Amino acid sequence: DQQVKQNSPSLSVQEGRISILNCDYTNSMFDYFLWYKKYPAEGPTFLISISSIKDKNEDGRFTVFLNKSAKHLSLHIVPSQPGDSAVYFCAASVRKAQKLVFGQGTRLTINP
Amino acid sequence: SAVISQKPSRDICQRGTSLTIQCQVDSQVTMMFWYRQQPGQSLTLIATANQGSEATYESGFVIDKFPISRPNLTFSTLTVSNMSPEDSSIYLCSVEEWVAADTQYFGPGTRLTVL
Repeated sequence: DQQVKQNSPSLSVQEGRISILNCDYTNSMFDYFLWYKKYPAEGPTFLISISSIKDKNEDGRFTVFLNKSAKHLSLHIVPSQPGDSAVYFCAASVRKAQKLVFGQGTRLTINP
Repeated sequence: SAVISQKPSRDICQRGTSLTIQCQVDSQVTMMFWYRQQPGQSLTLIATANQGSEATYESGFVIDKFPISRPNLTFSTLTVSNMSPEDSSIYLCSVEEWVAADTQYFGPGTRLTVL
């Protein structure tokens, strides 16, 4: 049972444009969500998180939106840069400091 | 954020042998976790490493196959026992920090290939 789903295995975006990565979840008990970026041969790097009491969190070029009624979150990267090319994972937990359930990942490619 | 190191970074092992992976953190942390990423797959939690007590394993993972130790608040080991080619994966430890217990930080991972 895939509780966290990233339905797009890959995404290609022009440099300077906006990248939008999507994530859906099924477990209504999830109340904390995170996005990680992963380069090959490295561990995931934390990008941004959001609690279920919010619907938006922004950090520089990265913004995460949460739609609880739709059980959907998205990560916006603007403007996209070549260094953003990586695999992006969304993750969810029932509470902070609890185990994370990960999506399958989306490979983002930024084209010059 | 905490600085996390893992040893070894990669290894190639023979079927039937065991490998112990070490995770060292540069500060005391509340929680330590071990994840696995099989080829082309997402990250899956193996267990939560509890300091001073037995690890808490997720469904599908057992202590005999993946024994875990956590002797203090900065160190943990994961052993992959009696390995088979299906155990070929990246093994990652992650930590939650004392102060900012709202984010898990990951180590660089250990890439294991079983022949």
